[in-house]
Order: sequence, then structure tokens, then C-alpha cells
Amino acid sequence: NAGVTQTPKFQVLKTGQSMTLQCAQDMNHNSMYWYRQDPGMGLRLIYYSASEGTTDKGEVPNGYNVSRLNKREFSLRLESAAPSQTSVYFCASSEVFSTDTQYFGPGTRLTVL
Amino acid sequence: SQKIEQNSEALNIQEGKTATLTCNYTNYSPAYLQWYRQDPGRGPVFLLLIRENEKEKRKERLKVTFDTTLKQSLFHITASQPADSATYLCALDTSGGYNKLIFGAGTRLAVHP
Repeated sequence: NAGVTQTPKFQVLKTGQSMTLQCAQDMNHNSMYWYRQDPGMGLRLIYYSASEGTTDKGEVPNGYNVSRLNKREFSLRLESAAPSQTSVYFCASSEVFSTDTQYFGPGTRLTVL
Repeated sequence: SQKIEQNSEALNIQEGKTATLTCNYTNYSPAYLQWYRQDPGRGPVFLLLIRENEKEKRKERLKVTFDTTLKQSLFHITASQPADSATYLCALDTSGGYNKLIFGAGTRLAVHP
């Protein structure tokens, strides 16, 4: 039982390049989330998926797209990376979209030059 | 907009003492509040959840209080150990119980032998 896994762990991009961050959970959770964490700031919600087949914007969705591929997988895509997207990205999941514990992955450290 | 404040300075305490961390919020009445622990280079790990109608919640050496009048939560670690050294994040629900969380920037705790 690996919990929440994220790939890659580290990535360096040049401005304008695109990439997809992958997230998978093996806990049969219904809800999944993408956050970014910047120094001195709290985790900020980018997008979430309350259940398979649905996605919604969070606090900072601009510049990102998501896909809930199936119940296990939730990917985050940067179509044209910008230096402002340099951050650590965390994926999380919870059993239901309600008052429930969120389980976080180990994070992806992304640098955009 | 919602705002969460946690002590930005690190909290240094001696082993065996009680650590008390503060989380203050404005502009919202959350249905619940959560506390997470984050170690360097890792994702947050859930510790405790307290609901708006609960004054206090305990788990082993951890205690959380929630004062909705003061808009404040206190997080206590009793008999602290060096292994408790980490960053502690508070997160409050902004969606009336639908798990859209806003996180504080966290307080770094250092427990010295």
C-alpha cells in the first residue's frame, strides 16, 4: 500500500515548455487535490476532483489544467511554464469530499528557468 | 478573503516542555479545522481535526482547542521530544464542510535535548 505517489520528484523546465505531473493513489479514495507550496506561504489549492469524472478550480488555477484519468489517477498539466510556477507541488486524496483527512504525496519540486 | 496566521518565527523549546502553537483566522466561520505535520522534503501528514462545535480534542500527547469566538486554535504537544521537531500547519475548511482547505504557512518547532 503505497498511499499517494507522485512523479517526477524533481523537474527543471525552461520558460514556455510544457509538462504533466502525475499522481496516483491506491486507497480507493474518491477525492483528489493538487496544491502548490511556496516559501513563507501556505499550501494553495490549484484544482480538485471531488469524484471521478469531475474537476473544479481551486484558489490558483491559472496556467494549469487537470485530468482525472480514472479513480486512481489525477494529473496536473502546465501548458506553457512560467518562472512564477516554480514551486513544490503536492497531490492529495481523501476518502470523500467532506470533513475528511487528506493524505499527501511526497511532492514534486519544479523549477522553471 | 480568508486569512490564516501562524507564528512565522520558529518555536524553540526544551525537551520535556509543552509546545503551544497558535493559529488565528479572519473573515470566515469554518466548519472544522485540521492540524498537519510536515517534515523537510516531505508532504504534510494529518494529525487532528476539530469541529466548530468542539472545544477540545486530544490524541496521545497532542491537544487542540478551537475558540470560534476568538477565531483561534491552539495546538499543544506535551512532554515534547526532539522527534517532534517539524513544521506544523493548520488548515481550515472554507466550504461549509466540503473539504476545500486553506492552509497557514506553518510554524517550525525545534525541540532541543
